[in-house]
Amino acid sequence: GAVVSQHPSWVICKSGTSVKIECRSLDFQATTMFWYRQFPKQSLMLMATSNEGSKATYEQGVEKDKFLINHASLTLSTLTVTSAHPEDSSFYICSASLRDQGARAVSEKLFFGSGTQLSVL
Amino acid sequence: GQNIDQPTEMTATEGAIVQINCTYQTSGFNGLFWYQQHAGEAPTFLSYNVLDGLEEKGRFSSFLSRSKGYSYLLLKELQMKDSASYLCALRGGGFKTIFGAGTRLFVKA
Repeated sequence: GAVVSQHPSWVICKSGTSVKIECRSLDFQATTMFWYRQFPKQSLMLMATSNEGSKATYEQGVEKDKFLINHASLTLSTLTVTSAHPEDSSFYICSASLRDQGARAVSEKLFFGSGTQLSVL
Repeated sequence: GQNIDQPTEMTATEGAIVQINCTYQTSGFNGLFWYQQHAGEAPTFLSYNVLDGLEEKGRFSSFLSRSKGYSYLLLKELQMKDSASYLCALRGGGFKTIFGAGTRLFVKA
C-alpha cells in the first residue's frame, strides 16, 4: 500500500514556541492531504484539508492563524502550530488520499502518517 | 451535516465472532470506511463500502445499507491482537472523511 511518512513522532516544547510537523507521501503524489488531531480516547477530528498549490480549507472552530498549513508540493504538506499552549497538546495525524480500483468500486482510501504526539509544557 | 454513531466499547472472546455496528446520517454519500487503530498509533485501513452489500476480506467483512444509513464490521476468529479501536468513517458529499468516535474492542482469552 501507499506510504505516508510523518515526523517528528513526538515533540516536547515550551509554551509560546512554534512546532512544525511534516507529512510526506513517499510513493505517490497527493494532491490533497488532511490533518487530524486526536485527544486521548477520542476519535479523529478533522482540522483542515491541505491542497497543493492553494490555501488550506479549515474546519469550523480551527484557527487558521494558529495552525498554519503549507502544501508546497505534491508530496509534502506541513502543519505549524504557532505560539503553542498546553491545550494544544494532542496527537496530530496527517493523511493522504489515493484512488484505488477495488473489485466492485473505485475508492479514495486514506493512508495515514504515523502521527505526532505534541506535548506543550 | 454528518453524524456517526457506534458503540463505545465491546468485549468478545478469542476465537469468537463480533459485529460492530455503525449508523450514520449524511446529506451526501461517497463511501463508508472502517479503520483499526491501536493505542498510540495511526489508523490502518480495513475496508471500504460504497455499494450496498457485503465486502469480505479474510477475517474481516463489512456490510452497508445506504437506505438505512447502516454499516457493520464483522470480525471472525478473533485473536488477542484484534483488541483495538475500530473507527467508522464517512465520506459525505464533499471530499472530506469524518470519523465516528470509535468502538474499543477488548478480546479476552
